[in-house]
Amino acid sequence: AAGVIQSPRHLIKEKRETATLKCYPIPRHDTVYWYQQGPGQDPQFLISFYEKMQSDKGSIPDRFSAQQFSDYHSELNMSSLELGDSALYFCASSQYGGNADTQYFGPGTRLTVL
Amino acid sequence: GENVEQHPSTLSVQEGDSAVIKCTYSDSASNYFPWYKQELGKRPQLIIDIRSNVGEKKDQRIAVTLNKTAKHFSLHITETQPEDSAVYFCAASGWLNYGGATNKLIFGTGTLLAVQP
Repeated sequence: AAGVIQSPRHLIKEKRETATLKCYPIPRHDTVYWYQQGPGQDPQFLISFYEKMQSDKGSIPDRFSAQQFSDYHSELNMSSLELGDSALYFCASSQYGGNADTQYFGPGTRLTVL
Repeated sequence: GENVEQHPSTLSVQEGDSAVIKCTYSDSASNYFPWYKQELGKRPQLIIDIRSNVGEKKDQRIAVTLNKTAKHFSLHITETQPEDSAVYFCAASGWLNYGGATNKLIFGTGTLLAVQP
């Protein structure tokens, strides 16, 4: 079965640079969530989208922005990167209706800020 | 906001023994409680979930119980195997209608399960 796809899988950036993370949800899934997981930490919710509209917002820094496109893929844009942004970034997707609360996670993007 | 506490933080068992991980949540509006297994550097993998209209659910060696009155839910793994070794996260969410649907997951702090052969 098709799963959530994330790219790139690994990303190395310098401080103050920008980064763009991409997420392709499971086919027919219309809701996308972004989570940030620091070393030894639990995943922290950043932001979510449903039908291309932002549906909820968590502890996402103002330096970060995200959107969902017409094909339902989503991009997380991160600017003025800081050392503390180094983490695993997961995207998850779900489908409205039925078990809409069930989220399936992608493989993650490991971001390292030097 | 919602807060989820998870215990223990580490758990070591002998192969074949049972393992129990417990979570409590704070928001009585929460109605969905998944459990994820995460191996080092990998994605969280959904292993079982339970909704608030059910008190117990079982899938082979894995079971989850929910006590809504006490705001507790627990993961039970029987006949543990070395491949069960991983970090296990509980999570909670409540249905939030915002033009459509969204329900962010609030995770517990994780339990590192080590199954000794």
